[in-house]
Amino acid sequence: AQSVTQLGSHVSVSEGALVLLRCNYSSSVPPYLFWYVQYPNQGLQLLLKYTSAATLVKGINDFEAEFKKSETSFHLTKPSAHMSDAAEYFCAVSDLGRDDKIIFGKGTRLHILP
Amino acid sequence: DSGVTQTPKHLITATGQRVTLRCSPRSGDLSVYWYQQSLDQGLQFLIQYYNGEERAKGNILERFSAQQFPDLHSELNLSSLELGDSALYFCASSVGQGSNTQYFGPGTRLTVL
Repeated sequence: AQSVTQLGSHVSVSEGALVLLRCNYSSSVPPYLFWYVQYPNQGLQLLLKYTSAATLVKGINDFEAEFKKSETSFHLTKPSAHMSDAAEYFCAVSDLGRDDKIIFGKGTRLHILP
Repeated sequence: DSGVTQTPKHLITATGQRVTLRCSPRSGDLSVYWYQQSLDQGLQFLIQYYNGEERAKGNILERFSAQQFPDLHSELNLSSLELGDSALYFCASSVGQGSNTQYFGPGTRLTVL
Protein backbone atom coordinates (compact mmCIF):
# COMPACT_ATOMS: atom_id res chain seq x y z
CA ALA A 1 0.00 0.00 0.00
CA GLN A 2 1.13 3.50 -0.69
CA SER A 3 1.85 5.93 2.10
CA VAL A 4 3.47 9.27 2.73
CA THR A 5 5.31 10.49 5.80
CA GLN A 6 5.97 14.14 6.37
CA LEU A 7 8.61 14.81 8.99
CA GLY A 8 7.66 17.67 11.26
CA SER A 9 4.11 18.86 11.67
CA HIS A 10 5.42 22.40 12.20
CA VAL A 11 8.48 24.05 10.69
CA SER A 12 9.64 27.60 11.38
CA VAL A 13 12.12 29.50 9.24
CA SER A 14 13.20 33.11 9.14
CA GLU A 15 12.22 35.33 6.25
CA GLY A 16 14.89 34.99 3.57
CA ALA A 17 16.13 31.63 4.85
CA LEU A 18 16.03 28.30 3.08
CA VAL A 19 12.81 26.34 3.32
CA LEU A 20 13.09 22.55 3.56
CA LEU A 21 10.01 20.39 4.07
CA ARG A 22 10.63 16.68 4.24
CA CYS A 23 8.58 13.92 2.66
CA ASN A 24 9.22 10.20 2.41
CA TYR A 25 6.98 7.87 0.48
CA SER A 26 6.27 4.19 0.24
CA SER A 27 5.07 2.67 -3.00
CA SER A 28 5.37 -0.76 -4.59
CA VAL A 29 5.42 0.73 -8.07
CA PRO A 30 6.99 3.88 -9.51
CA PRO A 31 4.95 6.64 -7.98
CA TYR A 32 3.60 9.96 -8.98
CA LEU A 33 4.40 12.49 -6.27
CA PHE A 34 2.87 15.84 -5.49
CA TRP A 35 3.22 18.82 -3.21
CA TYR A 36 0.12 20.84 -2.48
CA VAL A 37 -0.18 24.04 -0.44
CA GLN A 38 -3.18 25.11 1.60
CA TYR A 39 -3.46 28.74 2.64
CA PRO A 40 -5.75 29.58 5.56
CA ASN A 41 -9.42 29.06 4.78
CA GLN A 42 -8.71 27.92 1.25
CA GLY A 43 -8.58 24.71 -0.72
CA LEU A 44 -5.42 22.91 -1.79
CA GLN A 45 -3.34 24.27 -4.64
CA LEU A 46 -0.89 22.18 -6.61
CA LEU A 47 2.71 23.38 -6.19
CA LEU A 48 4.44 20.76 -8.31
CA LYS A 49 4.32 17.12 -9.34
CA TYR A 50 6.78 14.40 -10.28
CA THR A 51 5.78 12.05 -13.08
CA SER A 52 8.99 10.09 -13.74
CA ALA A 53 10.54 12.59 -16.12
CA ALA A 54 13.19 14.85 -14.56
CA THR A 55 14.04 14.06 -10.95
CA LEU A 56 14.28 17.76 -10.07
CA VAL A 57 10.86 19.30 -10.40
CA LYS A 58 10.27 23.03 -10.43
CA GLY A 59 6.96 24.41 -9.27
CA ILE A 60 5.26 27.70 -8.68
CA ASN A 61 6.55 30.46 -6.40
CA ASP A 62 10.20 29.23 -6.70
CA PHE A 63 9.50 25.94 -4.97
CA GLU A 64 11.19 22.81 -6.19
CA ALA A 65 11.45 19.19 -5.13
CA GLU A 66 13.88 16.42 -5.90
CA PHE A 67 12.85 12.80 -6.34
CA LYS A 68 15.44 10.45 -4.80
CA LYS A 69 14.51 6.84 -5.38
CA SER A 70 17.32 5.46 -3.24
CA GLU A 71 16.08 7.48 -0.27
CA THR A 72 12.35 7.22 -1.18
CA SER A 73 12.21 10.95 -0.60
CA PHE A 74 10.62 13.94 -2.28
CA HIS A 75 11.65 16.92 -0.16
CA LEU A 76 10.36 20.39 -0.97
CA THR A 77 12.72 23.37 -0.95
CA LYS A 78 12.71 27.08 -1.61
CA PRO A 79 15.89 29.17 -1.52
CA SER A 80 14.44 32.21 0.25
CA ALA A 81 11.29 32.23 2.37
CA HIS A 82 8.70 34.98 2.09
CA MET A 83 6.08 35.86 4.65
CA SER A 84 3.45 34.86 2.09
CA ASP A 85 4.76 31.27 2.16
CA ALA A 86 3.18 30.70 5.57
CA ALA A 87 0.71 27.89 4.94
CA GLU A 88 0.22 24.16 5.31
CA TYR A 89 2.02 21.94 2.85
CA PHE A 90 0.95 18.44 1.89
CA CYS A 91 3.02 15.79 0.20
CA ALA A 92 1.03 13.17 -1.70
CA VAL A 93 1.57 9.98 -3.67
CA SER A 94 -0.42 8.34 -6.42
CA ASP A 95 -0.16 5.15 -8.38
CA LEU A 96 -1.08 5.99 -11.94
CA GLY A 97 -2.67 3.06 -13.68
CA ARG A 98 -4.51 1.52 -10.76
CA ASP A 99 -6.79 4.40 -10.01
CA ASP A 100 -6.49 8.12 -9.64
CA LYS A 101 -6.55 8.03 -5.87
CA ILE A 102 -4.06 10.30 -4.14
CA ILE A 103 -2.79 9.53 -0.65
CA PHE A 104 -1.88 12.63 1.33
CA GLY A 105 0.56 13.06 4.16
CA LYS A 106 -0.58 14.68 7.39
CA GLY A 107 0.79 18.05 6.38
CA THR A 108 3.50 20.41 7.60
CA ARG A 109 2.60 23.88 8.76
CA LEU A 110 5.25 26.37 7.70
CA HIS A 111 5.75 29.43 9.90
CA ILE A 112 7.81 32.36 8.64
CA LEU A 113 9.56 34.44 11.28
CA PRO A 114 10.19 38.14 10.55
CA ASP B 1 -9.30 30.23 -8.43
CA SER B 2 -9.14 26.53 -9.35
CA GLY B 3 -12.39 26.52 -11.32
CA VAL B 4 -13.97 24.00 -8.94
CA THR B 5 -16.97 25.34 -7.06
CA GLN B 6 -18.53 24.01 -3.89
CA THR B 7 -21.70 24.98 -2.11
CA PRO B 8 -22.49 25.80 0.56
CA LYS B 9 -19.38 27.33 2.06
CA HIS B 10 -20.53 26.71 5.60
CA LEU B 11 -23.14 24.37 7.01
CA ILE B 12 -24.28 24.07 10.62
CA THR B 13 -26.64 21.30 11.57
CA ALA B 14 -27.61 19.00 14.41
CA THR B 15 -26.77 15.40 15.15
CA GLY B 16 -28.97 12.90 13.37
CA GLN B 17 -29.65 15.22 10.45
CA ARG B 18 -28.85 14.75 6.78
CA VAL B 19 -27.05 17.24 4.53
CA THR B 20 -26.05 17.45 0.88
CA LEU B 21 -22.85 19.05 -0.33
CA ARG B 22 -22.55 20.08 -3.94
CA CYS B 23 -19.56 20.29 -6.25
CA SER B 24 -19.15 21.53 -9.80
CA PRO B 25 -15.91 20.41 -11.47
CA ARG B 26 -13.72 22.47 -13.78
CA SER B 27 -15.02 22.73 -17.29
CA GLY B 28 -13.96 19.60 -19.20
CA ASP B 29 -13.00 17.55 -16.14
CA LEU B 30 -14.67 14.16 -15.95
CA SER B 31 -13.41 12.98 -12.57
CA VAL B 32 -14.65 14.23 -9.23
CA TYR B 33 -13.12 13.33 -5.87
CA TRP B 34 -14.37 13.94 -2.35
CA TYR B 35 -12.09 14.40 0.66
CA GLN B 36 -12.68 14.95 4.34
CA GLN B 37 -10.22 17.09 6.30
CA SER B 38 -10.29 17.00 10.08
CA LEU B 39 -7.75 17.84 12.75
CA ASP B 40 -7.34 14.28 13.96
CA GLN B 41 -7.59 12.36 10.67
CA GLY B 42 -5.94 14.81 8.31
CA LEU B 43 -6.96 14.75 4.66
CA GLN B 44 -8.82 11.54 3.87
CA PHE B 45 -9.93 10.40 0.43
CA LEU B 46 -13.59 9.43 0.44
CA ILE B 47 -14.69 8.55 -3.08
CA GLN B 48 -14.08 9.20 -6.77
CA TYR B 49 -16.47 9.35 -9.70
CA TYR B 50 -15.50 9.32 -13.33
CA ASN B 51 -18.05 10.34 -15.94
CA GLY B 52 -20.93 9.32 -13.73
CA GLU B 53 -19.52 6.01 -12.51
CA GLU B 54 -17.96 5.27 -9.15
CA ARG B 55 -14.26 4.57 -9.75
CA ALA B 56 -12.51 4.39 -6.40
CA LYS B 57 -13.57 4.26 -2.80
CA GLY B 58 -11.62 5.31 0.25
CA ASN B 59 -12.52 5.69 3.88
CA ILE B 60 -16.14 6.55 3.28
CA LEU B 61 -18.67 5.64 5.96
CA GLU B 62 -21.84 3.75 5.04
CA ARG B 63 -23.82 6.77 6.26
CA PHE B 64 -22.21 8.77 3.44
CA SER B 65 -23.01 8.44 -0.24
CA ALA B 66 -22.21 10.34 -3.37
CA GLN B 67 -23.22 10.53 -6.99
CA GLN B 68 -22.17 12.27 -10.16
CA PHE B 69 -24.86 13.55 -12.46
CA PRO B 70 -24.97 13.68 -16.29
CA ASP B 71 -23.84 17.32 -16.22
CA LEU B 72 -20.83 16.06 -14.18
CA HIS B 73 -21.61 17.92 -10.99
CA SER B 74 -21.45 15.79 -7.89
CA GLU B 75 -23.23 15.64 -4.56
CA LEU B 76 -22.03 14.15 -1.30
CA ASN B 77 -24.83 13.09 1.03
CA LEU B 78 -24.10 12.75 4.73
CA SER B 79 -26.81 11.22 6.90
CA SER B 80 -27.36 10.39 10.58
CA LEU B 81 -24.76 13.01 11.34
CA GLU B 82 -22.55 12.68 14.38
CA LEU B 83 -20.39 15.23 16.16
CA GLY B 84 -17.32 13.57 14.69
CA ASP B 85 -18.48 14.32 11.16
CA SER B 86 -17.65 17.98 11.70
CA ALA B 87 -14.90 18.69 9.19
CA LEU B 88 -13.95 20.43 5.99
CA TYR B 89 -15.17 18.57 2.95
CA PHE B 90 -13.27 19.18 -0.25
CA CYS B 91 -14.17 18.34 -3.77
CA ALA B 92 -11.48 18.04 -6.43
CA SER B 93 -11.63 17.41 -10.14
CA SER B 94 -9.29 16.18 -12.81
CA VAL B 95 -9.42 15.53 -16.52
CA GLY B 96 -9.92 11.89 -15.86
CA GLN B 97 -8.34 8.51 -16.09
CA GLY B 98 -4.59 8.68 -16.28
CA SER B 99 -4.37 12.27 -15.15
CA ASN B 100 -3.56 12.64 -11.49
CA THR B 101 -3.44 16.39 -11.20
CA GLN B 102 -6.41 17.24 -9.05
CA TYR B 103 -7.77 20.75 -8.68
CA PHE B 104 -9.42 21.48 -5.38
CA GLY B 105 -12.47 23.52 -4.56
CA PRO B 106 -12.59 25.91 -1.59
CA GLY B 107 -14.37 23.36 0.61
CA THR B 108 -17.51 23.17 2.68
CA ARG B 109 -17.09 23.52 6.42
CA LEU B 110 -19.60 21.28 8.19
CA THR B 111 -20.32 21.81 11.86
CA VAL B 112 -22.49 19.26 13.63
CA LEU B 113 -23.85 20.45 16.98
